[in-house]
Amino acid sequence: NAGVTQTPKFQVLKTGQSMTLQCAQDMNHEYMSWYRQDPGMGLRLIHYSVGAGITDQGEVPNGYNVSRSTTEDFPLRLLSAAPSQTSVYFCASSLGRGFAYEQYFGPGTRLTVT
Amino acid sequence: AQKVTQAQTEISVVEKEDVTLDCVYETRDTTYYLFWYKQPPSGELVFLIRRNSFDEQNEISGRYSWNFQKSTSSFNFTITASQVVDSAVYFCALSLGPAGQGGSEKLVFGKGTKLTVNP
Repeated sequence: NAGVTQTPKFQVLKTGQSMTLQCAQDMNHEYMSWYRQDPGMGLRLIHYSVGAGITDQGEVPNGYNVSRSTTEDFPLRLLSAAPSQTSVYFCASSLGRGFAYEQYFGPGTRLTVT
Repeated sequence: AQKVTQAQTEISVVEKEDVTLDCVYETRDTTYYLFWYKQPPSGELVFLIRRNSFDEQNEISGRYSWNFQKSTSSFNFTITASQVVDSAVYFCALSLGPAGQGGSEKLVFGKGTKLTVNP
């Protein structure tokens, strides 16, 4: 099993550009989620999905869109990048319903918006 | 509101010292889960432990131990005889019960404690 994979590992965008961060898992997990990590802020939940076709907002959803067409994939879209979205982004999946279970994290994507 | 406080931003110790990382949480729910994750300098996040609100037993895993006390809303993490490889940022996290059990879907992380173990 590859676990949770994320692409790209690094990305530089200009303000106003759009892009999609890819996330895939091969563990047949129902729950998938996206977090951003900023210095001194810990991890904050952006969006999550409880299964294919179902998504919901987390703590900091503004400026991001998600969709979940398959169990395996959970892409995160930045519609119009802003410098405030410079961060490290982590995708995670977990077995079972709810956040009551261990999260399996991807390696992260470091995004810089200039 | 749900909240996790890790008051120690950075801790520096010398190898073989014992060190305790503090975690204080806030929630009104009776069903919740607490976690610790480790983030070494390489950047990945590694799960260490999960504890539910109905199980106050302390846990020991090798040099790691966890002390869960509902009376003080704390879930502290102790590393005994620390080693350089323990150098990392450690996150405490709080999860509420799934929506189907009357809770709301939420996972809240503390801001992390950076531990540096010097040789």
